Amino acid sequence: DQQVKQNSPSLSVQEGRISILNCDYTNSMFDYFLWYKKYPAEGPTFLISISSIKDKNEDGRFTVFLNKSAKHLSLHIVPSQPGDSAVYFCAAPNNAGNMLTFGGGTRLMVKP
Amino acid sequence: DSGVTQTPKHLITATGQRVTLRCSPRSGDLSVYWYQQSLDQGLQFLIQYYNGEERAKGNILERFSAQQFPDLHSELNLSSLELGDSALYFCASSVTAQGVGETQYFGPGTRLLVL
Repeated sequence: DQQVKQNSPSLSVQEGRISILNCDYTNSMFDYFLWYKKYPAEGPTFLISISSIKDKNEDGRFTVFLNKSAKHLSLHIVPSQPGDSAVYFCAAPNNAGNMLTFGGGTRLMVKP
Repeated sequence: DSGVTQTPKHLITATGQRVTLRCSPRSGDLSVYWYQQSLDQGLQFLIQYYNGEERAKGNILERFSAQQFPDLHSELNLSSLELGDSALYFCASSVTAQGVGETQYFGPGTRLLVL
């Protein structure tokens, strides 16, 4: 049972444009979400998070939106840069906060 | 650089063997988590230790075990290795044992290849 899903395995975007990465979840008990970025041969790097008491969180070029009723979140990157090319994972912790459930990841390619 | 270190970076071994993966958490972090990333299963939580004690278990096989030492470094032991154990193994750390809202910081991973 995949509780966190990223249905797009890959996304290609032109430099300077917006990248939108999507994530859906099925467990209504999830109330905190994180996005991680992963480059080849490196571990996941924390990018941005959002609590269920908010519907938006912004950090520079990165904004995460949460739609609780739809059990959907999205990560917007504006403007996209070639250095953003990586695999992006959304993740949610269990109620104890100690076990992250990850989506399958979306490979973002930003073309110069 | 997350501050979490893992050794070795790469490991090649044969089926039936036993290996030990090592992780040092960020300075000040008391919790260590182990995750496995395989091609077909994605990133999956294996086990968590906090200040030397096991706190949570995920989809960890009985052939696998872990421990956290007094200096807070952790080791993941994989025994009777099978081809399907080939994967990337990540360690992460955080300050406390639990807490929604707390970030887990990941190490660079150990790539295990079982031949």
